[in-house]
Amino acid sequence: ILNVEQSPQSLHVQEGDSTNFTCSFPSSNFYALHWYRWETAKSPEALFVMTLNGDEKKKGRISATLNTKEGYSYLYIKGSQPEDSATYLCALTGANNLFFGTGTRLTVIP
Amino acid sequence: SAVISQKPSRDICQRGTSLTIQCQVDSQVTMMFWYRQQPGQSLTLIATANQGSEATYESGFVIDKFPISRPNLTFSTLTVSNMSPEDSSIYLCSVRNPGMNEQFFGPGTRLTVL
Repeated sequence: ILNVEQSPQSLHVQEGDSTNFTCSFPSSNFYALHWYRWETAKSPEALFVMTLNGDEKKKGRISATLNTKEGYSYLYIKGSQPEDSATYLCALTGANNLFFGTGTRLTVIP
Repeated sequence: SAVISQKPSRDICQRGTSLTIQCQVDSQVTMMFWYRQQPGQSLTLIATANQGSEATYESGFVIDKFPISRPNLTFSTLTVSNMSPEDSSIYLCSVRNPGMNEQFFGPGTRLTVL
């Protein structure tokens, strides 16, 4: 079992604000890290799969960085919009399995 | 990518009964998984559904409680047997093909056991 921790558990931001949250994981035997966005009653949507230390990926207003040596990844949202409201999940690839954190629930207030 | 549907999307069940959840994928996939998320907890793998053979269960999950079928490469079912309130969770089907990093999920089945 791989221990994946996410913080904060939840946060509220005003529309237009930028925000970020953290995923921490064991740095040994790293293979890949996944970020998902999960809206209620919908499928978790894959945002990024990151494999290389120092990697930075971007998708529109959302970006993510990865530090495998110290065991963390940051997800950034620039200029948050109400449609960004969702739970953001981080997961680590283990042996034929994904180990998830408990997620960060983001609410963007119009 | 793969498009995954699940039935039912939600249900409210009585203690002691069983519920079968269906997962349909729009393309053939090699690896199919069942996860659950209990309230306030992480998404946790229940088992890997193997086509034509018994599912592979993770520690803490057993076949008698969560029987799984996988008759072909696009379909699987998960049954939650003899339910108790502790089984109230969101159950998700997930797929991946070997050698690919991306893993796709269905929309989930929200189960409430009274």
